[in-house]
Amino acid sequence: NAGVTQTPKFQVLKTGQSMTLQCAQDMNHNSMYWYRQDPGMGLRLIYYSASEGTTDKGEVPNGYNVSRLNKREFSLRLESAAPSQTSVYFCASSHREGNEQFFGPGTRLTVL
Amino acid sequence: RKEVEQDPGPFNVPEGATVAFNCTYSNSASQSFFWYRQDCRKEPKLLMSVYSSGNEDGRFTAQLNRASQYISLLIRDSKLSDSATYLCVVNNPNTGNQFYFGTGTSLTVIP
Repeated sequence: NAGVTQTPKFQVLKTGQSMTLQCAQDMNHNSMYWYRQDPGMGLRLIYYSASEGTTDKGEVPNGYNVSRLNKREFSLRLESAAPSQTSVYFCASSHREGNEQFFGPGTRLTVL
Repeated sequence: RKEVEQDPGPFNVPEGATVAFNCTYSNSASQSFFWYRQDCRKEPKLLMSVYSSGNEDGRFTAQLNRASQYISLLIRDSKLSDSATYLCVVNNPNTGNQFYFGTGTSLTVIP
């Protein structure tokens, strides 16, 4: 069991470029989440998917889009990257909403 | 007011010491409470859930005080390997059961 996997591990973008962060889980979890972690801010929820076929905004959704491709995969897209999106991005999954969440190893993104 | 607040520390304690962290939350309707551990440049990992009656897992004890809206984590007989940042996590049933994370409390256990 790999748990939650994320790709890429590191990425550097220029302002205005786009990219997609990939996340997959092999625990047959229903719910998946995308967070960003910035110094002094704690983890903040960007988007989540309570179950396959649904997605909802979290605390900081602006500038991002998501796709729940199937039960296993949940991707995060930055259409036009901005320096304010420089952060560490974590994907997580849980059996269902409200249950403990399990995190992937993170993607460190720098936008120049 | 922040959903979850923690003392950032740092807490520097000698091996074998007992250390306690507190965390306050703002939403009285919250039902799910957790402590996560995060090592430097790694992902958060679940340390333990926090139950209404309090619960213990080896050297770790978690307690919930609903009246005062805080949760606590007690670590006994600290080990060097306990050095990490400890994150308090609380759900908010008013926002689709989203989890809110504290900014973390840094612990360093000194030989």
